[in-house]
Amino acid sequence: NAGVTQTPKFRILKIGQSMTLQCAQDMNHNYMYWYRQDPGMGLKLIYYSVGAGITDKGEVPNGYNVSRSTTEDFPLRLELAAPSQTSVYFCASSYDRYANYGYTFGSGTRLTVV
Amino acid sequence: AQKVTQAQTEISVVEKEDVTLDCVYETRDTTYYLFWYKQPPSGELVFLIRRNSFDEQNEISGRYSWNFQKSTSSFNFTITASQVVDSAVYFCALSEVNTGNQFYFGTGTSLTVIP
Repeated sequence: NAGVTQTPKFRILKIGQSMTLQCAQDMNHNYMYWYRQDPGMGLKLIYYSVGAGITDKGEVPNGYNVSRSTTEDFPLRLELAAPSQTSVYFCASSYDRYANYGYTFGSGTRLTVV
Repeated sequence: AQKVTQAQTEISVVEKEDVTLDCVYETRDTTYYLFWYKQPPSGELVFLIRRNSFDEQNEISGRYSWNFQKSTSSFNFTITASQVVDSAVYFCALSEVNTGNQFYFGTGTSLTVIP
């Protein structure tokens, strides 16, 4: 049981490049989330999904896009990377809306934009 | 306005000391959930506890205990007889029923346990 798998673990991008952060879960969770964690800060919600085909913006969606074609996968797309997007990105999933058992987090992707 | 405040940015204790991490939250919902997560140096986020707003009983799990007080909007976390393995960043989080699709995280408290 892998839980939530994020790839890659590390990435360096040049300004203006694009990339997709992959996230997959094998727990059949409907709810999936993308958060970013900046140094010394808590996590900020970028986008979330309540099921395949349904996504919505979180607190800091600008510069990102998501899709949810299957229950398992929830990729995060960065278009035209900017230094402000240097952060650690966490994908998470939960069984229910109120995360009765907490989120299950992936191990994170550390992204640097130079 | 910050919905979850963890005023202690960094704490250092000597091994075997007790330590309390503070968490103060703000919500107008009558139904909400509070969480604590641990982020060790390896970086992953580990779920520790979930509490709903109707259950003010304190909880103890081994060396960990949590004190939930609605009157002061606080959900504090105490580690008894701290160990080096407790060194981590600890996050408190709030989930409101009306906006249950996200958590509001505090900025975290970095705990260092000195051997």
